Amino acid sequence: GQQLNQSPQSMFIQEGEDVSMNCTSSSIFNTWLWYKQDPGEGPVLLIALYKAGELTSNGRLTAQFGITRKDSFLNISASIPSDVGIYFCAGTSGTYKYIFGTGTRLKVLA
Amino acid sequence: GAGVSQSPSNKVTEKGKDVELRCDPISGHTALYWYRQSLGQGLEFLIYFQGNSAPDKSGLPSDRFSAERTGGSVSTLTIQRTQQEDSAVYLCASSPWTGSYEQYFGPGTRLTVT
Repeated sequence: GQQLNQSPQSMFIQEGEDVSMNCTSSSIFNTWLWYKQDPGEGPVLLIALYKAGELTSNGRLTAQFGITRKDSFLNISASIPSDVGIYFCAGTSGTYKYIFGTGTRLKVLA
Repeated sequence: GAGVSQSPSNKVTEKGKDVELRCDPISGHTALYWYRQSLGQGLEFLIYFQGNSAPDKSGLPSDRFSAERTGGSVSTLTIQRTQQEDSAVYLCASSPWTGSYEQYFGPGTRLTVT
């Protein structure tokens, strides 16, 4: 099925560093979502974006809805060990069908 | 309140056998989704329900896959004559209504076909 391109695929960072990841699509979306998935669990919604150019924060997380409506970015500031997990982006053009990214696997080194 | 629950959490089955995966959504949520997550991959949409009806079954990989929802609540995903490529984690999510961004996921069922 269709998937979004998410990068990087994985990253190892030191505790305290900032993290950036992005997601690109060949299609225009009108909603972007970012999820985090811990091992053995389902994804948990972190941030939802509804408008091109929108910048939204949730604690140390900040996400942006790209102007072209074909991309989105997630930043994590001052990473901590519990940030480890897989981060997924997801987008929809306004229907029930969300397209998910391939995931960014984050590992934080204490 | 209780979140989305799925059972079993793990299922190992022999190739050719049928399996049933169950999802109990959050009470009152009208929309229900099934996704498949293969190792190291994102989530692949399979099917969604609005109430008891499934307007779009196009995500189901083959006619061996079927799903139903009864009473606007519990849903069952059935895979007949399982194949090794069916091995994956099957995730269920529910939403207050179709189109809501608030998809709440269950922990998934890990299916292994030997």
